[in-house]
Amino acid sequence: DPKIIQKPKYLVAVTGSEKILICEQYLGHNAMYWYRQSAKKPLEFMFSYSYQKLMDNQTASSRFQPQSSKKNHLDLQITALKPDDSATYFCASSQDRGPYEQYFGPGTRLTVL
Amino acid sequence: GEKVEQHESTLSVREGDSAVINCTYTDTASSYFPWYKQEAGKSLHFVIDIRSNVDRKQSQRLIVLLDKKAKRFSLHITATQPEDSAIYFCAASNRNNYAQGLTFGLGTRVSVFP
Repeated sequence: DPKIIQKPKYLVAVTGSEKILICEQYLGHNAMYWYRQSAKKPLEFMFSYSYQKLMDNQTASSRFQPQSSKKNHLDLQITALKPDDSATYFCASSQDRGPYEQYFGPGTRLTVL
Repeated sequence: GEKVEQHESTLSVREGDSAVINCTYTDTASSYFPWYKQEAGKSLHFVIDIRSNVDRKQSQRLIVLLDKKAKRFSLHITATQPEDSAIYFCAASNRNNYAQGLTFGLGTRVSVFP
C-alpha cells in the first residue's frame, strides 16, 4: 500500500485558474513538505510543516498556499496559475525532529496552458 | 541561502565498476547530506545519508564521504549493476531541528552499461 498518496497524478489547468494538490501520508510522521521539480529549475523546496504549523516557507509567491486540515494531510492550493507553474509537485514527510530521512510521494504533474 | 552544486551531470559506467558523484555546498552550517535516486518517471527514493559528525558511511554497495573543510561530499556506488541506472540527487540541510527543507543539486544521470 502506498504510504504517501498524492492526488491527482496528472493535472491540466488553464492560465488564471486555481487548483488544489492533495497529499496524505500514512507513515505516522509529524513533518510534511512540498517540493517542486521542473525542467528549468532543480528540485526546489517550497514549504515545511510540523504538527500542522508552518515551519519554513521558501516560496516567494503568495499564490501558493499550503493547507493542513489534519496532521497527516498537507494540501497545496495554487491560485492565478501561470504556465511557469508547470512542474511536478512532490509531497514529502519525515519525523519532525531531525534532520531525518524524508520520504517522497509519487508527485502530481501539473501542466498550465 | 544554501547552494548545492553537483559536479557531474552524466556518468557512464561499465557494469561492475564504481561510479563517483561529487557535490559541494556553500553553507558551513549544513549538517545533513542525503542522497536520492530517481528512476525515469518515478519519485525520489532515499538511498543513503551522512551527518556532519562523521566523515564516512557505508550501506552495502554505497559509500558516502564528507569533507567538511572543503564543503564537499560524494557518493560512491561500488560494483555497479544495471539497476543502479537512474538520476542521483545530492542534497543538504543546515538545521538540526524541526522540519527542514532540503537544498538539492541538479542531479547526475548514471548509466550502467554491460
